[in-house]
Order: sequence, then C-alpha cells, then structure tokens
Amino acid sequence: KNQVEQSPQSLIILEGKNCTLQCNYTVSPFSNLRWYKQDTGRGPVSLTIMTFSENTKSNGRYTATLDADTKQSSLHITASQLSDSASYICVVSSWGGATNKLIFGTGTLLAVQP
Amino acid sequence: DTAVSQTPKYLVTQMGNDKSIKCEQNLGHDTMYWYKQDSKKFLKIMFSYNNKELIINETVPNRFSPKSPDKAHLNLHINSLELGDSAVYFCASSRQGEIGYTFGSGTRLTVV
Repeated sequence: KNQVEQSPQSLIILEGKNCTLQCNYTVSPFSNLRWYKQDTGRGPVSLTIMTFSENTKSNGRYTATLDADTKQSSLHITASQLSDSASYICVVSSWGGATNKLIFGTGTLLAVQP
Repeated sequence: DTAVSQTPKYLVTQMGNDKSIKCEQNLGHDTMYWYKQDSKKFLKIMFSYNNKELIINETVPNRFSPKSPDKAHLNLHINSLELGDSAVYFCASSRQGEIGYTFGSGTRLTVV
C-alpha cells in the first residue's frame, strides 16, 4: 500500500534554532519527493522537489535530503523564524503510466516561538 | 494576479443542499485537480482533469461531480451535502510533463 509517514506529528522550537523533520515512504513506482509548506488557511506551497538521483536540495534555509534506498527523506530548517510556523507536508509522486499521482503525508505542525 | 483562485473561500450550508466550488488558473496549465483535506490535515486527491478530460477519479461519492468547461477552469459540484463532507477543498494545477504543482488557497466547507 502506498503510504507516506511523517514524524514528529508536531514540534515546538525557539526562534533561531534548527530542526529536522522526517518522512518515510512506501510508494512504488517512485517518481519524485516533494516538501510543501502549508500556512494556516492557505494552500500548500512547494519548497523542494527531488527525483530519484538527487540526495539533497536546498531552498534558502530549507534543506531536504533523500535516501532512495531506505525510502527516507528529511527537511532541515536552519535558524528558524517565526514565519516558519506552519504545517510541513511530505509528498511522494508515483508515476502511474498516464498520470503522476501524489501521495500526501499527514504533515508535521511546526510552531516557532520567540 | 492570483495563479490558482478558488471561490468561495468559506462556505457554510445545511445538510441536503447542493453547492458548487469554482476554480480558475491563469498559469496556462493543462491539468487541474481537486483535493480534500480532512480534519487531520490529510490531503487526498479526488479528481484530475487533463485538457478538460477526466483522468483520475478516486473513490468519491457520486454526489461529487467535477466539471471542466475549459482548461483554465475546474468546478466542483456537490449534491445532497452531508456532515462528513465538511473539509477544506483545494484546487491545484500543473502542466503535463512538468512536476511542479500550484495549489489554490482552499475552500473551507462546513455542513451543519
């Protein structure tokens, strides 16, 4: 069964600190893995997209890693800011022949406190 | 200049009513989607249209009927609304062959 699991479910950190969010998946066939940020009341916004051959990708203070062998990914946030408070969703794309199907994780709710 | 816009943003209605949610994208994408986000924040695909043609139809009650009058629009009509339909519905779009998705800001539907 195609599944994407994220941990922790929620996380509280102090402003300026770093944190790492985890994503494990069992999706086949694998096409790519994405990390989205979803602010409260808004739609998900893409942070990074990684294909099978990519191990790491950065977008400003966000760095995502991918280990396709162990089917794990992480999102590292450096020097957190209050505006980083949001849900972070790991999404794995599976190519189904004619279409690309997205399988969403349940997200990690991050709260950055001053 | 909104890329994917949904209307309305909030919708409160009584059980048994019929309602529609509209979605428009001005990105020139050829594929549009409807996702449902439940109370646990889990996003699940409902429908996907490519060039006005239905290509994904997940297990969704027949009360939900998408309509795509053209590539830039994908509307969602819901008949006989039930309490369990309460959720946030997201429209999204992409271009076939590209992996980027753009989501709308969501429509929060509350059925009372």
